Amino acid sequence: GNSVTQMEGPVTLSEEAFLTINCTYTATGYPSLFWYVQYPGEGLQLLLKATKADDKGSNKGFEATYRKETTSFHLEKGSVQVSDSAVYFCALPENTDKLIFGTGTRLQVFP
Amino acid sequence: GAGVSQTPSNKVTEKGKYVELRCDPISGHTALYWYRQSLGQGPEFLIYFQGTGAADDSGLPNDRFFAVRPEGSVSTLKIQRTERGDSAVYLCASSPSGSYNEQFFGPGTRLTVL
Repeated sequence: GNSVTQMEGPVTLSEEAFLTINCTYTATGYPSLFWYVQYPGEGLQLLLKATKADDKGSNKGFEATYRKETTSFHLEKGSVQVSDSAVYFCALPENTDKLIFGTGTRLQVFP
Repeated sequence: GAGVSQTPSNKVTEKGKYVELRCDPISGHTALYWYRQSLGQGPEFLIYFQGTGAADDSGLPNDRFFAVRPEGSVSTLKIQRTERGDSAVYLCASSPSGSYNEQFFGPGTRLTVL
């Protein structure tokens, strides 16, 4: 079945630093790819998505590009803020219904 | 509008007891999902409803777990003879029609089995 591998955390950065969180996947075909975020005390919410190869998803200054050649969907942000501190999950669907999630990467940003 | 709601937010029970967890999806969403998230892990799929029927229950770990959605809206996840290993956060999500649509998640129910 489909699977996702994420870099382990925590990732600790100073404010305004550059962020990369790696995500690679194994899948049948070319499914949509997602990044979800879980802020402290809140539910999971969709951060961005890409529906086909070479698509770039973006939201709130975050970006991720669907790379078919390297089966990757790395999350990047040029300048992180303290408010970006959260747990980030890479995910992809299987059988058009369920989502398969990575283990999550905790980001801690300090002023 | 209202998002996905889940009750209770926290549930503490003793080993061997029966528990019910409730999910209220976003109004009009036909697809409803249950996931389980253990500490330090990503959510793991349990069951998917399209309308009233369970379209995929392949993630239910054993026959102690059961879920219903009798009127195609509210869903209840039922766990019999709870075990300490059932302790986790149970997440519910809904989407307009399934099939690659964005899933909207509730805040979860934290279940602790003593």
